[in-house]
Amino acid sequence: EDKVVQSPLSLVVHEGDTVTLNCSYEVTNFRSLLWYKQEKKAPTFLFMLTSSGIEKKSGRLSSILDKKELSSILNITATQTGDSAIYLCASKVQGAQKLVFGQGTRLTINP
Amino acid sequence: GAGVSQSPSNKVTEKGKDVELRCDPISGHTALYWYRQSLGQGLEFLIYFQGNSAPDKSGLPSDRFSAERTGGSVSTLTIQRTQQEDSAVYLCASSLVLADTGELFFGEGSRLTVL
Repeated sequence: EDKVVQSPLSLVVHEGDTVTLNCSYEVTNFRSLLWYKQEKKAPTFLFMLTSSGIEKKSGRLSSILDKKELSSILNITATQTGDSAIYLCASKVQGAQKLVFGQGTRLTINP
Repeated sequence: GAGVSQSPSNKVTEKGKDVELRCDPISGHTALYWYRQSLGQGLEFLIYFQGNSAPDKSGLPSDRFSAERTGGSVSTLTIQRTQQEDSAVYLCASSLVLADTGELFFGEGSRLTVL
């Protein structure tokens, strides 16, 4: 059974800290790894990673995939209260038109 | 519409009643997905539509759950004889072609509470 696991499940830090969120996957016929941010209701797309070792960046957020370790990390530097959200990791499997999601990491940034 | 629209946003029902949840995807998006998110959990896949057909309905938890899509647009998820464990947020998403970017566009969800 395809599985995506995220850690930690919950994280509380102070504004300005740097955080690293982890995602590991066990899927057959891996195609891509995706990160989403869910602030209140609708998850919004952050990154898609297909190639190992290539970092994707968007402002203070960055992510990298390690296909050897079957994992990915999402880094957020100089965190702000607006970064508080649930961060979801998902994997797309070759030949299947769906994403398999992890449980999410609830990130809280305190001022 | 500009985004994925879901209704109702909140639904409270009694155990044993039937409920219908509606999803209006982004115009032109041929792929439509239903996911379920229980409290504190990730997203659980329910069903995928390509046009009006559902090639993958492997996530539907029981035969009380069904979904249809008409005109390649609006989709309805129906839960019959609701149970308390059906309480969750039901999220709908749409996309053009998942293979390209993997980006799904999500609606804000329908929160279902079964008393």
